[in-house]
Amino acid sequence: AQSVAQPEDQVNVAEGNPLTVKCTYSVSGNPYLFWYVQYPNRGLQFLLKYITGDNLVKGSYGFEAEFNKSQTSFHLKKPSALVSDSALYFCAVRDDTNAGKSTFGDGTTLTVKP
Amino acid sequence: DTAVSQTPKYLVTQMGNDKSIKCEQNLGHDTMYWYKQDSKKFLKIMFSYNNKELIINETVPNRFSPKSPDKAHLNLHINSLELGDSAVYFCASSQGFVSRETQYFGPGTRLLVL
Repeated sequence: AQSVAQPEDQVNVAEGNPLTVKCTYSVSGNPYLFWYVQYPNRGLQFLLKYITGDNLVKGSYGFEAEFNKSQTSFHLKKPSALVSDSALYFCAVRDDTNAGKSTFGDGTTLTVKP
Repeated sequence: DTAVSQTPKYLVTQMGNDKSIKCEQNLGHDTMYWYKQDSKKFLKIMFSYNNKELIINETVPNRFSPKSPDKAHLNLHINSLELGDSAVYFCASSQGFVSRETQYFGPGTRLLVL
């Protein structure tokens, strides 16, 4: 069985400060990890994914995420937050042994204050 | 052009009614999905089709019946609507169903059952 945990329901940061949104996962096979962002009344938008290779993955809007196999984590980061980054962020995992099925975390609401 | 589109965007109906939600993707993808997002924003997969064949069928009441007339379309029909069906339903698509593929989401259909 595969699972994803986003331990923080809410993350608050000041504009210009670095941000981190945490994600840990559990899978049977090789993990494929994704981050999506959802703005109010919109669908989910793909930010970035880890498939293989370099543990640091760069994505849209200046976001990046670091895959850490030993800690089974895939935290989303951005060096300098913008007010427009305020949204709901989802981490998702898929694995080789359960092809096709994505499991999403419960989501983390990021609020960036001016 | 919208990559993944859904109609209608909003749906308000009475308990016991039957309704359908339509989804179309113009990305040339082989795999399509239906997800349900509840009032707490939790996202759960319902169904997945690959090349018009059902490949994922989560524990969903029989009142929900997906239909894929071709690879570009995946519709969701719901019989005997219940209050608990109120949610946002998202359609998504991916190139294939293998784990490394990114899913692209539609804007959602907001269903309210009265």
